Amino acid sequence: EDQVTQSPEALRLQEGESSSLNCSYTVSGLRGLFWYRQDPGKGPEFLFTLYSAGEEKEKERLKATLTKKESFLHITAPKPEDSATYLCAVQGKELTGGGNKLTFGTGTQLKVEL
Amino acid sequence: DTEVTQTPKHLVMGMTNKKSLKCEQHMGHRAMYWYKQKAKKPPELMFVYSYEKLSINESVPSRFSPECPNSSLLNLHLHALQPEDSALYLCASSQGDREVKNIQYFGAGTRLSVL
Repeated sequence: EDQVTQSPEALRLQEGESSSLNCSYTVSGLRGLFWYRQDPGKGPEFLFTLYSAGEEKEKERLKATLTKKESFLHITAPKPEDSATYLCAVQGKELTGGGNKLTFGTGTQLKVEL
Repeated sequence: DTEVTQTPKHLVMGMTNKKSLKCEQHMGHRAMYWYKQKAKKPPELMFVYSYEKLSINESVPSRFSPECPNSSLLNLHLHALQPEDSALYLCASSQGDREVKNIQYFGAGTRLSVL
């Protein structure tokens, strides 16, 4: 069974204080690792997808990296508007009937303060 | 455009009511999904439709009934719900093509309260 563990559960940063979120995973046949951002009461917003170890993606202050066992979401010089819950998910083998199943971690709740 | 539209945004219903949640996408995606999310928990997969056919039902109670009328629309019919069914219901879609790396795009969700 696919499993995803995220740490820390919650993180409080000062504006400009860089840090990293961790996502450890076990999956049978990784077909993608996904990072989403979720604001309270809203749906997850897609950030990045990574497919193979060594791959990196960047968007503004965020950078996602992938190894064979974990992924990191690095946040450089965060701003208060980066406050949200960050979800990591893995996509394993394709479903027999079609479609794809994402297994989510429990998320890291990030709070960036002035 | 990666928009998935869900209606209504909020829904309050009694345990004897029948209501429906709606989801629409115009990205040409052929796979659509329903998730349930409780507070401070990750989304839990309920149903997957692939090319308008039910691909997976994650042991969801029969009081939840999905329907995919066409490739752009997905409904979730609700009947005789329990208070513990109160949650954020999320719809997502992806290309669904085996040859393509699929990304699931989510709607804003319907906040359901069962009284």
